[in-house]
Amino acid sequence: DTAVSQTPKYLVTQMGNDKSIKCEQNLGHDTMYWYKQDSKKFLKIMFSYNNKELIINETVPNRFSPKSPDKAHLNLHINSLELGDSAVYFCASSQGRGSNTEAFFGQGTRLTVV
Amino acid sequence: AQSVAQPEDQVNVAEGNPLTVKCTYSVSGNPYLFWYVQYPNRGLQFLLKYITGDNLVKGSYGFEAEFNKSQTSFHLKKPSALVSDSALYFCVHKAAGNKLTFGGGTRVLVKP
Repeated sequence: DTAVSQTPKYLVTQMGNDKSIKCEQNLGHDTMYWYKQDSKKFLKIMFSYNNKELIINETVPNRFSPKSPDKAHLNLHINSLELGDSAVYFCASSQGRGSNTEAFFGQGTRLTVV
Repeated sequence: AQSVAQPEDQVNVAEGNPLTVKCTYSVSGNPYLFWYVQYPNRGLQFLLKYITGDNLVKGSYGFEAEFNKSQTSFHLKKPSALVSDSALYFCVHKAAGNKLTFGGGTRVLVKP
């Protein structure tokens, strides 16, 4: 069974469109994240939710809106897509708000904006 | 600011030789350090972590890492590299509030 799953795996869309990426984890974790990996493979956190509560919101354009309907899901909605949004987006989860637990990552969603 | 640095963009090693991937950190408080590996077109996989205790931590796939407080380093090592170890390796610090800060990554190429 896949621990952290994201859909879709690939997403190609035109500028200006609105799209969503879904993430689900079956590990029973209470914390979920979205990370962005740019073309140089650099990874940066975008959002983190703990028990459906937003706890980390980095300087991300407000076109990006995360939604956590329950602890097992954290979806990412992006409005008015821009060329610069092209990247690989990773969902992850971990247990607890302590710092000693590892995060488990999904396979990534490669978003290409044309 | 919390940060981790990986000074080498790429490491080349012959199969069977020792592999070292370097990481230095600059954090306030206790450093919670992790190593992750990313294979091509795949997600990140956890290798090992240092929280407290023994400075030498052992992880998956024969990897280990040594925490050195005086040198503020957490280098990843493997005694005998395999071609299948070729991948992108990330050193990561986890701060309170679960924020992960990634190093820039080091690409490892193991040649047969």
